[in-house]
This record gives sequence, C-alpha cells and structure tokens, in this order.
Amino acid sequence: QSVLTQPPSVSAAPGQKVTISCSGSSSNIGNNYVSWYQQLPGTAPKLLIYDNNKRPSGIPDRFSGSKSGTSATLGITGLQTGDEADYYCGTWDSSLSAEVFGGGTKLTVL
Amino acid sequence: QVTLKESGPALVKPTQTLTLTCTFSGFSLSTSGMRVSWIRQPPGKALEWLARIDWDDDKFYSTSLKTRLTISKDTSKNQVVLTMTNMDPVDTATYYCARRNYYDSSGYDYWGQGTLVTVSS
Repeated sequence: QSVLTQPPSVSAAPGQKVTISCSGSSSNIGNNYVSWYQQLPGTAPKLLIYDNNKRPSGIPDRFSGSKSGTSATLGITGLQTGDEADYYCGTWDSSLSAEVFGGGTKLTVL
Repeated sequence: QVTLKESGPALVKPTQTLTLTCTFSGFSLSTSGMRVSWIRQPPGKALEWLARIDWDDDKFYSTSLKTRLTISKDTSKNQVVLTMTNMDPVDTATYYCARRNYYDSSGYDYWGQGTLVTVSS
C-alpha cells in the first residue's frame, strides 16, 4: 500500500485532456514539493514535473503540475498515443524521513 | 552529460546478501546538494524508494526495509553501493539508481537503466 494515492488508471481520446490525482497528507504533499514521472513500457522513469509545477528542459508544455493542500495533480493536454505510460507522483515524507511514491496510474489513449 | 548505471548479480538465492553498485559520471557526489537514491520496481508493480545518500554522507532508508539495507558512497570512484541482506523472492525487482540535485530540483532528473534482480533457489 503506497503512502500516496493515485487512481490505478485513466483514459481519454487523442487530442483530449486528462488529469491524474495524487493524494497524501500534511507530512508529505502538504509540506513538501511534488514530482511527477512518466514511465514508458520497458524503460526507466523520466522526470516530467518537479517542485510541484516546473518542467525540466525538453518537457513540452502539454504537461503541467499543480498542488493544493495535501493533493497534487498532473495534467496532460493534446493527448498523443505516445503518452501511453505509467505515471507516478513522488515527494518527501517528513514524518517517515523517506521518499515516497504513489502507486502509479496507467494512462490509456483510446 | 550525466549518466548512471547499475550493476550487480542478476540472480541471487534466498537468504543471500545482494550488493548493487551505481556507477555514475557527469557529476560529483561531493558537490553540495547532490543526492543519489536506490529505487526498485517489482515486475508489473509500482516504484518503491529504498535508500538515499547525500553529498554530506547523510543517509536515509525505507522504514520497512531499513534493517536490511546499507547505502554507502565512494566519491573517488563515483559509485554508490547498496547492500540488502536476507534476500527473499518478493525482492525480485528491477533496481534503479537515480540522482537529484537538491538546489535545482525536488525530483530525480537522471536515472540509470535499471538492473533486474531475481531471487530464486
């Protein structure tokens, strides 16, 4: 059971928008930055969003992040078939003194 | 450019100790702000953070695995080593090392390709 809660799956049509939620608590999301990772099949995770809403160089602005209270959200607009992947949120948990990840969300682009 | 690569045995027997090495280039773990973590992923399952070592030699461990884990660094060799004792079949997973620069990002911006470790007799 993951400390951070994500929906197991989401789906949308090409060109549409999707959001993926990540729910935590005051000891993790509530007081620490959130990162998001994309994991394409058979590959290592790739950083998509850091510091709640910043994109590393090379990540298109179709990907966005936000945080409110103890929840964070990843948004993806203009969905492409190449966006089909598993998405994970992650943050530091101050009570555990440990990094924590969500259980992952599988995105299907129908 | 920054690269990380995991190495270690592909197969270990139950009760044995696993030793994994992360060899990196493009940055120094003696530079203020640098951090390297080990993260694993059982087949078809989610990411699980295991341990982290910082530039100042601070170390942090997963609460559920801390009695079995030891992380260390060799700055001169640009390596981070993770040992996990008393291996069990449930520890079968792909093990990744990843880097974070505390002053640049709260996320892990570079990851190794991962190494699959199977625990079986």
